Amino acid sequence: DQQVKQNSPSLSVQEGRISILNCDYTNSMFDYFLWYKKYPAEGPTFLISISSIKDKNEDGRFTVFLNKSAKHLSLHIVPSQPGDSAVYFCAALTQGGSEKLVFGKGTKLTVNP
Amino acid sequence: GAVVSQHPSRVICKSGTSVKIECRSLDFQATTMFWYRQFPKQSLMLMATSNEGSKATYEQGVEKDKFLINHASLTLSTLTVTSAHPEDSSFYICSARQGLGSYNEQFFGPGTRLTVL
Repeated sequence: DQQVKQNSPSLSVQEGRISILNCDYTNSMFDYFLWYKKYPAEGPTFLISISSIKDKNEDGRFTVFLNKSAKHLSLHIVPSQPGDSAVYFCAALTQGGSEKLVFGKGTKLTVNP
Repeated sequence: GAVVSQHPSRVICKSGTSVKIECRSLDFQATTMFWYRQFPKQSLMLMATSNEGSKATYEQGVEKDKFLINHASLTLSTLTVTSAHPEDSSFYICSARQGLGSYNEQFFGPGTRLTVL
């Protein structure tokens, strides 16, 4: 039972354009969401997060949007750069509980020069 | 930033042998370490949570007698895959968390690719 879903296994965009990665979740108890970036043969690195009390968090070129009613979040990267090419994982947890991270399957982003 | 290392990065072993994977937090003390497994084109799946000095908590479906976890110090946790079989071939990733209580960021190691022949 996949509680965090990333339905697009891959995404290809042109350098300079916007990349939009999507994530859906089913567990209404999740109240903290994270995006991780992963290069081949490396562990995931934290990118940006958002608490359920917010609907937007921005950090430089990266913005995460949260729509609680739709149980949907998205990561926007603008402008996209070739170095952004990686696998992006969406993760969720419930604060104050076990705080176990539940990951999606990831979306492989390719930014073409 | 916080650095977590794993050793070895890649291991190939014969079926029936045991393999030990080390996870170290290099520049901070980790009260909690997590072990994940990732099969191709799948999510990172949490296998177990270990707190220093206490027994690991295993996720449902993970055999504690097969995947032995030791967290003997605040900077080292080990995962031993006992009597490994080809279906145990996977990418094993650890993460370490510094604090307790409200959410503290997990820092991930680079992973260990296990291939069981």
